[in-house]
Amino acid sequence: AQTVTQSQPEMSVQEAETVTLSCTYDTSESNYYLFWYKQPPSRQMILVIRQEAYKQQNATENRFSVNFQKAAKSFSLKISDSQLGDTAMYFCAFMRNSGNTPLVFGKGTRLSVIA
Amino acid sequence: GAGVSQSPSNKVTEKGKDVELRCDPISGHTALYWYRQRLGQGLEFLIYFQGNSAPDKSGLPSDRFSAERTGESVSTLTIQRTQQEDSAVYLCASSRPGQGVDSNQPQHFGDGTRLSIL
Repeated sequence: AQTVTQSQPEMSVQEAETVTLSCTYDTSESNYYLFWYKQPPSRQMILVIRQEAYKQQNATENRFSVNFQKAAKSFSLKISDSQLGDTAMYFCAFMRNSGNTPLVFGKGTRLSVIA
Repeated sequence: GAGVSQSPSNKVTEKGKDVELRCDPISGHTALYWYRQRLGQGLEFLIYFQGNSAPDKSGLPSDRFSAERTGESVSTLTIQRTQQEDSAVYLCASSRPGQGVDSNQPQHFGDGTRLSIL
């Protein structure tokens, strides 16, 4: 079974600064997908960024980038130029590469961006 | 286009009652997933559908929980004889069919149903 661990229950960052959220996972699979989702108080889960394990290049989406270390089973999220609207719960998630299958989520990190 | 729609948004009911939660996926999305999120926790997988069949029901916590789906459309999650520990937000997600090497498609989530059992 796969597990996802987010070791930082809460973090805060000053507006315009950079913050990194940690995620580690455990799996015996060699190919899989990793995701970061954002959940603001509105409850909706919003996909932030996606990484395919077979790709060595780290994914980037505007101010969001990941540091994917496959050997270490680490998948951290870096948010640059933090904005007040980035305040939310952030969840790291794992998906096996066998067609559409359920996500395995970490417990989340609550990020607060401070003006 | 329209996103994943869930109803009701909030549901308050008494212990022992049955509840039915509804999910309308994005049109054309063949896969549909149900998750549960207890207060302050991550999401727990409950069940998912490919079309109207459910390949994986392993996350359903007890036989009081069941779900069905009509074709590649609406799904309902039913909880019978509700207990206080069933209180949570129930989230539904859908994803379109995978293609070739890109067989895994991102899941798009609804806003969830907040279920409160008194």
